[in-house]
Amino acid sequence: KAGVTQTPRYLIKTRGQQVTLSCSPISGHRSVSWYQQTPGQGLQFLFEYFSETQRNKGNFPGRFSGRQFSNSRSEMNVSTLELGDSALYLCASSLGGQNNQPQHFGDGTRLSIL
Amino acid sequence: GEDVEQSLFLSVREGDSSVINCTYTDSSSTYLYWYKQEPGAGLQLLTYIFSNMDMKQDQRLTVLLNKKDKHLSLRIADTQTGDSAIYFCAEGGGGGNKLTFGTGTQLKVEL
Repeated sequence: KAGVTQTPRYLIKTRGQQVTLSCSPISGHRSVSWYQQTPGQGLQFLFEYFSETQRNKGNFPGRFSGRQFSNSRSEMNVSTLELGDSALYLCASSLGGQNNQPQHFGDGTRLSIL
Repeated sequence: GEDVEQSLFLSVREGDSSVINCTYTDSSSTYLYWYKQEPGAGLQLLTYIFSNMDMKQDQRLTVLLNKKDKHLSLRIADTQTGDSAIYFCAEGGGGGNKLTFGTGTQLKVEL
């Protein structure tokens, strides 16, 4: 069974640009969550999508947005990029459902802002 | 809010046991997790424990949960150089799939 796939693996952007990251979950998984990992703040929850609806949201500005498609694939968008957005962005998928369930992570997209 | 704490570093000799500790604050946690991260990689789910259990064993890994003290530990038996990585403890509260992670413990295995 294929794992969680994130594309691209690496991305370099400049301040003010926007970026879209993609995540394909494990087959059969309906929940997709996004996390930001930085040396200073560690791993922080961005948002979770389940059945094409945002179910949970972390404390990030509105520049960070996402969506989920009917095949459970998800995209995350960051607009008006800032230097502080440089990070490893990780996507995780799980079966879904009401209660917290084991999440499996992809290898991440490393975003560098110049 | 939720908070998860871990010590930052642990150094052990190859063949010894490693014990990585974690404390958390959210009493509504349903699952508690251990993830491993190697350089340049994502998070690998090592094991997890449901909050109504107090122990889980999976090959070289043993997870102990003290729900009263909100303390979780991961024991790695016969630690190998390939176990060198950062280990994250995470708790999942009730409702949805948000995980709160600890700072990570860097495990260094010396020959």
